[in-house]
Amino acid sequence: GAGVSQSPSNKVTEKGKDVELRCDPISGHTALYWYRQRLGQGLEFLIYFQGNSAPDKSGLPSDRFSAERTGESVSTLTIQRTQQEDSAVYLCASSLDQGSYNEQFFGPGTRLTVL
Amino acid sequence: SQQGEEDPQALSIQEGENATMNCSYKTSINNLQWYRQNSGRGLVHLILIRSNEREKHSGRLRVTLDTSKKSSSLLITASRAADTASYFCATDGNDYKLSFGAGTTVTVRA
Repeated sequence: GAGVSQSPSNKVTEKGKDVELRCDPISGHTALYWYRQRLGQGLEFLIYFQGNSAPDKSGLPSDRFSAERTGESVSTLTIQRTQQEDSAVYLCASSLDQGSYNEQFFGPGTRLTVL
Repeated sequence: SQQGEEDPQALSIQEGENATMNCSYKTSINNLQWYRQNSGRGLVHLILIRSNEREKHSGRLRVTLDTSKKSSSLLITASRAADTASYFCATDGNDYKLSFGAGTTVTVRA
């Protein structure tokens, strides 16, 4: 497809379980971002990948959150031992490169509900 | 933390009217971007205005930027039902990260 895709679109899990969210960026986009959006709020930056550089993990809220990216393709965001406050929409975006003048293209998001 | 703050939080207008929303930010920026979000899902980029620009147009959208007041406005002219969405401003500093505000929810009544 031409856009950023994310899976699953919805995920309901029980407190304490691990979840894995997937993002497929636009082909050729070297930069990939993960954001979290709680209900009625703006986007919180979580993590950023740029090519083969070390990722910027400064936005990850706790060590229960981690993310990986294979080269310049798929990325997975993993949340271990989920808590109810992790419930949110997790959005992935990609852009041509890290320059802030580049438009970010967003996926449709994964809505995570932790019961 | 969110740098941009949109105002108002919510806006309800009649189809055909204009909608104006504002964004204020705290630190210096390289550029400011506006995004639209439908139904709490993915965001769509609308327009980018650079710090040395004062006004930009794209179709029915008009964006202004006043760096002395650290504020921007987004005007949607001749609104349509399809414009119903949340609108976010996003600012950057000297790095690649965008800081998003909490958004303005716009409802266009038929």
